[in-house]
Amino acid sequence: GAVVSQHPSWVICKSGTSVKIECRSLDFQATTMFWYRQFPKQSLMLMATSNEGSKATYEQGVEKDKFLINHASLTLSTLTVTSAHPEDSSFYICSAPPRTTYEQYFGPGTRLTVT
Amino acid sequence: DQQVKQNSPSLSVQEGRISILNCDYTNSMFDYFLWYKKYPAEGPTFLISISSIKDKNEDGRFTVFLNKSAKHLSLHIVPSQPGDSAVYFCAAIGGTSYGKLTFGQGTILTVHP
Repeated sequence: GAVVSQHPSWVICKSGTSVKIECRSLDFQATTMFWYRQFPKQSLMLMATSNEGSKATYEQGVEKDKFLINHASLTLSTLTVTSAHPEDSSFYICSAPPRTTYEQYFGPGTRLTVT
Repeated sequence: DQQVKQNSPSLSVQEGRISILNCDYTNSMFDYFLWYKKYPAEGPTFLISISSIKDKNEDGRFTVFLNKSAKHLSLHIVPSQPGDSAVYFCAAIGGTSYGKLTFGQGTILTVHP
């Protein structure tokens, strides 16, 4: 099946700093990628839709200036958490749908811990 | 507003028996449903899906049933294996929001040897 990778898998940063998370589709092109966030024992919450060549669209309640998304190419989307705070600590997961299917393929996730 | 609900937070089943995971939805615009399996600290893995024009889809040990009138779907795993122990999420897609998945809260399945 299609493969989506994320980097890093785990990151610790200090409060006030920024951290970038990469999401890559390894064997297919994705004009759209999605970023999710999961808190412990909770469901995956869609944060934003990353669109290649255009601005990302954010879900209600998600601060676009805090969570910067750049879809640099058909295989890469990045999420930058700016001025991170401890409450941003979470598990961030990206996904990408191959063009010909509804099914989405998820990356392995990135555990962010802000101290 | 929880549009996709999995009302059972957990399910425990004996190896070899059937596991039935349930999911309800409220949005009648949903027209495609998916089940994902997730281990801790990993991304979800696609299991099986069903279009709203069908009422059943089967793939090996996994079968998904859809009851549109009741806005209910279920995932049957038979026979259950210890390796099936994980969190199972149902998800739905609908309307014009291509690719945007709405997830349920997840059900923790434990299969005992």
